[in-house]
Amino acid sequence: GQSLEQPSEVTAVEGAIVQINCTYQTSGFYGLSWYQQHDGGAPTFLSYNALDGLEETGRFSSFLSRSDSYGYLLLQELQMKDSASYFCAVRDGGGGFKTIFGAGTRLFVKA
Amino acid sequence: EAGVTQFPSHSVIEKGQTVTLRCDPISGHDNLYWYRRVMGKEIKFLLHFVKESKQDESGMPNNRFLAERTGGTYSTLKVQPAELEDSGVYFCASSPRGVDTEAFFGQGTRLTVV
Repeated sequence: GQSLEQPSEVTAVEGAIVQINCTYQTSGFYGLSWYQQHDGGAPTFLSYNALDGLEETGRFSSFLSRSDSYGYLLLQELQMKDSASYFCAVRDGGGGFKTIFGAGTRLFVKA
Repeated sequence: EAGVTQFPSHSVIEKGQTVTLRCDPISGHDNLYWYRRVMGKEIKFLLHFVKESKQDESGMPNNRFLAERTGGTYSTLKVQPAELEDSGVYFCASSPRGVDTEAFFGQGTRLTVV
Protein backbone atom coordinates (compact mmCIF):
# COMPACT_ATOMS: atom_id res chain seq x y z
CA GLY A 1 0.00 0.00 0.00
CA GLN A 2 0.95 3.65 -0.12
CA SER A 3 1.76 5.42 3.10
CA LEU A 4 3.57 8.33 4.61
CA GLU A 5 4.70 8.23 8.21
CA GLN A 6 5.34 11.29 10.31
CA PRO A 7 5.14 11.90 14.06
CA SER A 8 1.71 12.92 15.29
CA GLU A 9 2.94 15.61 17.67
CA VAL A 10 6.08 17.56 18.43
CA THR A 11 6.60 20.13 21.17
CA ALA A 12 9.44 22.65 21.25
CA VAL A 13 10.26 26.00 22.84
CA GLU A 14 10.54 29.39 21.22
CA GLY A 15 13.89 29.99 19.62
CA ALA A 16 14.70 26.29 19.32
CA ILE A 17 15.19 24.12 16.26
CA VAL A 18 12.82 21.28 15.44
CA GLN A 19 12.98 18.56 12.81
CA ILE A 20 9.88 16.79 11.53
CA ASN A 21 10.67 13.52 9.80
CA CYS A 22 8.72 11.82 7.05
CA THR A 23 9.19 8.39 5.56
CA TYR A 24 7.19 7.28 2.59
CA GLN A 25 6.23 4.18 0.70
CA THR A 26 4.51 4.96 -2.58
CA SER A 27 4.15 3.32 -5.96
CA GLY A 28 5.51 6.37 -7.75
CA PHE A 29 7.67 9.27 -6.68
CA TYR A 30 8.12 12.65 -8.30
CA GLY A 31 8.82 14.79 -5.29
CA LEU A 32 8.22 15.51 -1.61
CA SER A 33 6.31 18.56 -0.46
CA TRP A 34 5.63 20.15 2.89
CA TYR A 35 2.51 22.10 3.79
CA GLN A 36 1.62 24.11 6.87
CA GLN A 37 -1.90 24.38 8.20
CA HIS A 38 -3.05 26.58 11.04
CA ASP A 39 -6.24 25.56 12.81
CA GLY A 40 -9.22 26.23 10.57
CA GLY A 41 -7.02 27.54 7.80
CA ALA A 42 -5.98 26.42 4.37
CA PRO A 43 -2.92 24.21 3.95
CA THR A 44 -0.19 26.41 2.52
CA PHE A 45 2.78 25.32 0.49
CA LEU A 46 6.19 25.46 2.17
CA SER A 47 8.62 23.52 -0.01
CA TYR A 48 9.11 20.91 -2.70
CA ASN A 49 12.10 18.59 -3.14
CA ALA A 50 12.44 16.56 -6.30
CA LEU A 51 16.14 15.80 -5.90
CA ASP A 52 18.26 14.66 -2.98
CA GLY A 53 19.60 17.35 -0.73
CA LEU A 54 18.67 20.32 1.36
CA GLU A 55 16.52 23.23 0.22
CA GLU A 56 16.54 26.33 2.39
CA THR A 57 13.89 29.03 2.50
CA GLY A 58 14.40 31.46 5.33
CA ARG A 59 13.90 29.78 8.68
CA PHE A 60 12.58 26.62 7.03
CA SER A 61 14.63 23.94 5.28
CA SER A 62 13.56 20.69 3.70
CA PHE A 63 15.67 17.64 3.02
CA LEU A 64 15.16 14.62 0.80
CA SER A 65 16.93 11.28 0.44
CA ARG A 66 15.30 9.31 -2.34
CA SER A 67 17.36 6.21 -1.67
CA ASP A 68 16.08 6.13 1.91
CA SER A 69 12.52 7.22 1.03
CA TYR A 70 12.95 9.83 3.72
CA GLY A 71 12.72 13.53 4.15
CA TYR A 72 12.45 16.11 6.89
CA LEU A 73 11.37 19.65 7.51
CA LEU A 74 13.66 21.73 9.70
CA LEU A 75 12.30 24.79 11.44
CA GLN A 76 14.82 27.14 13.02
CA GLU A 77 14.40 30.02 15.45
CA LEU A 78 10.95 28.79 16.32
CA GLN A 79 8.26 31.38 16.88
CA MET A 80 4.87 31.01 18.53
CA LYS A 81 3.21 31.53 15.16
CA ASP A 82 4.88 28.34 13.91
CA SER A 83 2.43 26.34 16.02
CA ALA A 84 0.46 24.51 13.37
CA SER A 85 0.11 21.16 11.63
CA TYR A 86 2.75 20.21 9.09
CA PHE A 87 2.01 17.71 6.34
CA CYS A 88 4.48 15.91 4.19
CA ALA A 89 3.18 14.88 0.80
CA VAL A 90 4.44 12.81 -2.10
CA ARG A 91 3.60 13.65 -5.66
CA ASP A 92 3.18 10.19 -7.11
CA GLY A 93 1.59 10.93 -10.45
CA GLY A 94 3.28 12.13 -13.57
CA GLY A 95 0.40 14.32 -14.59
CA GLY A 96 -1.06 16.85 -12.26
CA PHE A 97 -0.84 17.37 -8.54
CA LYS A 98 -2.00 13.91 -7.55
CA THR A 99 -0.42 13.98 -4.16
CA ILE A 100 -0.50 11.61 -1.23
CA PHE A 101 -0.45 13.36 2.13
CA GLY A 102 0.65 12.15 5.52
CA ALA A 103 -1.58 12.48 8.57
CA GLY A 104 0.24 15.60 9.70
CA THR A 105 2.46 16.54 12.62
CA ARG A 106 1.00 18.88 15.16
CA LEU A 107 3.74 21.29 16.33
CA PHE A 108 3.29 23.06 19.64
CA VAL A 109 5.67 25.93 20.30
CA LYS A 110 5.91 26.96 23.96
CA ALA A 111 7.23 30.16 25.43
CA GLU B 1 -5.90 38.43 -6.07
CA ALA B 2 -8.55 36.27 -4.43
CA GLY B 3 -7.49 32.86 -3.25
CA VAL B 4 -9.37 29.61 -3.49
CA THR B 5 -12.75 30.02 -1.86
CA GLN B 6 -15.05 27.30 -0.65
CA PHE B 7 -18.67 27.41 0.38
CA PRO B 8 -20.09 26.68 2.85
CA SER B 9 -17.43 26.72 5.53
CA HIS B 10 -19.49 24.38 7.68
CA SER B 11 -22.42 22.09 6.96
CA VAL B 12 -24.35 19.83 9.29
CA ILE B 13 -26.79 17.48 7.64
CA GLU B 14 -28.68 14.34 8.54
CA LYS B 15 -27.81 10.96 7.19
CA GLY B 16 -29.60 10.40 3.91
CA GLN B 17 -29.71 14.08 2.94
CA THR B 18 -27.90 15.69 0.06
CA VAL B 19 -25.17 18.29 0.32
CA THR B 20 -23.41 20.27 -2.38
CA LEU B 21 -20.05 21.85 -1.76
CA ARG B 22 -18.71 24.59 -3.98
CA CYS B 23 -15.19 25.62 -4.85
CA ASP B 24 -14.08 28.72 -6.71
CA PRO B 25 -10.46 28.29 -7.77
CA ILE B 26 -8.03 31.10 -8.38
CA SER B 27 -8.98 32.78 -11.63
CA GLY B 28 -7.14 31.29 -14.59
CA HIS B 29 -6.13 28.08 -12.84
CA ASP B 30 -6.90 25.16 -15.13
CA ASN B 31 -6.18 22.52 -12.51
CA LEU B 32 -8.68 21.95 -9.72
CA TYR B 33 -8.43 19.26 -7.06
CA TRP B 34 -10.68 17.94 -4.34
CA TYR B 35 -9.28 16.41 -1.17
CA ARG B 36 -10.83 15.17 2.04
CA ARG B 37 -9.51 14.87 5.56
CA VAL B 38 -11.31 12.62 7.99
CA MET B 39 -10.68 13.51 11.61
CA GLY B 40 -7.00 13.47 12.42
CA LYS B 41 -6.05 11.37 9.44
CA GLU B 42 -4.29 12.05 6.18
CA ILE B 43 -5.57 14.44 3.54
CA LYS B 44 -6.84 12.12 0.82
CA PHE B 45 -6.98 12.87 -2.88
CA LEU B 46 -10.44 12.61 -4.41
CA LEU B 47 -10.16 13.89 -7.95
CA HIS B 48 -8.51 16.26 -10.40
CA PHE B 49 -10.06 18.45 -13.08
CA VAL B 50 -8.21 20.05 -15.95
CA LYS B 51 -10.60 22.77 -17.00
CA GLU B 52 -13.95 20.98 -17.24
CA SER B 53 -12.54 17.50 -17.82
CA LYS B 54 -11.95 14.92 -15.12
CA GLN B 55 -8.29 14.01 -15.37
CA ASP B 56 -8.23 11.58 -12.48
CA GLU B 57 -11.11 10.52 -10.25
CA SER B 58 -9.45 7.48 -8.74
CA GLY B 59 -9.88 8.78 -5.20
CA MET B 60 -13.65 9.17 -5.27
CA PRO B 61 -14.94 6.80 -2.58
CA ASN B 62 -18.14 5.63 -4.28
CA ASN B 63 -20.95 6.66 -6.59
CA ARG B 64 -22.62 8.75 -3.92
CA PHE B 65 -20.08 11.43 -4.74
CA LEU B 66 -20.44 13.48 -7.90
CA ALA B 67 -18.09 16.26 -8.92
CA GLU B 68 -18.66 18.70 -11.73
CA ARG B 69 -16.86 21.66 -13.20
CA THR B 70 -19.10 23.02 -15.88
CA GLY B 71 -17.43 25.69 -17.97
CA GLY B 72 -14.10 25.01 -16.37
CA THR B 73 -14.50 27.61 -13.65
CA TYR B 74 -16.02 26.74 -10.29
CA SER B 75 -16.60 23.17 -9.20
CA THR B 76 -19.22 21.44 -7.10
CA LEU B 77 -19.01 18.23 -5.13
CA LYS B 78 -22.32 16.64 -4.32
CA VAL B 79 -22.82 13.89 -1.79
CA GLN B 80 -26.10 12.04 -2.17
CA PRO B 81 -27.23 10.42 0.04
CA ALA B 82 -24.81 11.37 2.77
CA GLU B 83 -23.59 8.73 5.22
CA LEU B 84 -21.99 9.16 8.64
CA GLU B 85 -18.55 8.22 7.33
CA ASP B 86 -18.64 11.12 4.87
CA SER B 87 -17.99 13.53 7.73
CA GLY B 88 -14.72 15.38 7.41
CA VAL B 89 -13.13 18.47 5.95
CA TYR B 90 -13.31 18.76 2.18
CA PHE B 91 -10.53 20.82 0.64
CA CYS B 92 -10.36 22.24 -2.81
CA ALA B 93 -7.08 23.29 -4.39
CA SER B 94 -6.06 24.80 -7.69
CA SER B 95 -2.95 25.41 -9.71
CA PRO B 96 -2.08 26.94 -13.07
CA ARG B 97 -1.60 24.82 -16.16
CA GLY B 98 1.80 23.15 -16.12
CA VAL B 99 2.33 23.62 -12.38
CA ASP B 100 2.14 20.21 -10.76
CA THR B 101 4.46 20.64 -7.80
CA GLU B 102 2.28 22.81 -5.60
CA ALA B 103 -1.31 23.81 -5.26
CA PHE B 104 -3.22 26.59 -3.55
CA PHE B 105 -5.77 25.31 -1.08
CA GLY B 106 -9.03 26.73 0.14
CA GLN B 107 -9.93 26.75 3.81
CA GLY B 108 -12.13 23.73 3.42
CA THR B 109 -15.73 22.81 4.13
CA ARG B 110 -16.30 21.00 7.38
CA LEU B 111 -19.07 18.49 6.75
CA THR B 112 -20.78 16.77 9.66
CA VAL B 113 -23.29 14.05 8.95
CA VAL B 114 -25.46 13.17 11.96
